[in-house]
Amino acid sequence: DQQVKQNSPSLSVQEGRISILNCDYTNSMFDYFLWYKKYPAEGPTFLISISSIKDKNEDGRFTVFLNKSAKHLSLHIVPSQPGDSAVYFCAASAGSNAGNMLTFGGGTRLMVKP
Amino acid sequence: NAGVMQNPRHLVRRRGQEARLRCSPMKGHSHVYWYRQLPEEGLKFMVYLQKENIIDESGMPKERFSAEFPKEGPSILRIQQVVRGDSAAYFCASSPFVRDDSDTQYFGPGTRLTVL
Repeated sequence: DQQVKQNSPSLSVQEGRISILNCDYTNSMFDYFLWYKKYPAEGPTFLISISSIKDKNEDGRFTVFLNKSAKHLSLHIVPSQPGDSAVYFCAASAGSNAGNMLTFGGGTRLMVKP
Repeated sequence: NAGVMQNPRHLVRRRGQEARLRCSPMKGHSHVYWYRQLPEEGLKFMVYLQKENIIDESGMPKERFSAEFPKEGPSILRIQQVVRGDSAAYFCASSPFVRDDSDTQYFGPGTRLTVL
């Protein structure tokens, strides 16, 4: 039972355009969501997070949107750069205290073409 | 470098041997998590520890796997009698003890275990 799903295994975008990565979840207890970026042979790098009390969080070129009624979140990257090419994972946790396990999606490979 | 440290980065074992993976959390972090990533899959939670305590091991296989986070020294993930199916990337993450809603976990570079 996959509680967090990233239905697009890959996405190709032209440099300078917007990249939109999507994530759906099923567990209504999830209340904290994170996006990680991962290069081959490295660990995931934290990008941005959002609490369920918000519907948007922005940090530079990265914006995360949360639609609780649809149990859907998305990561927007604008403008996309070739260095953004990596695998992106969304993750979710239930409970707002430090110490809760993260449930990850399967990842989306983003390729930004120069 | 104050990031999460893991060693070794690569580990090769023959079937039946033991594998020991080490993780030193970020400075000031008292929570350690282990995750496993099988090829072409996402990360799967294994265990969550605080110093000298296992808090949640719901993701750990019932046999051959154990984890500890002693009062002094790194956290250890131990796999006894390894089998080929244990081949994977094992990631450690840490988070600070906070009383607000920050749940961010920071990951180490991983240990890639290959079982021959």
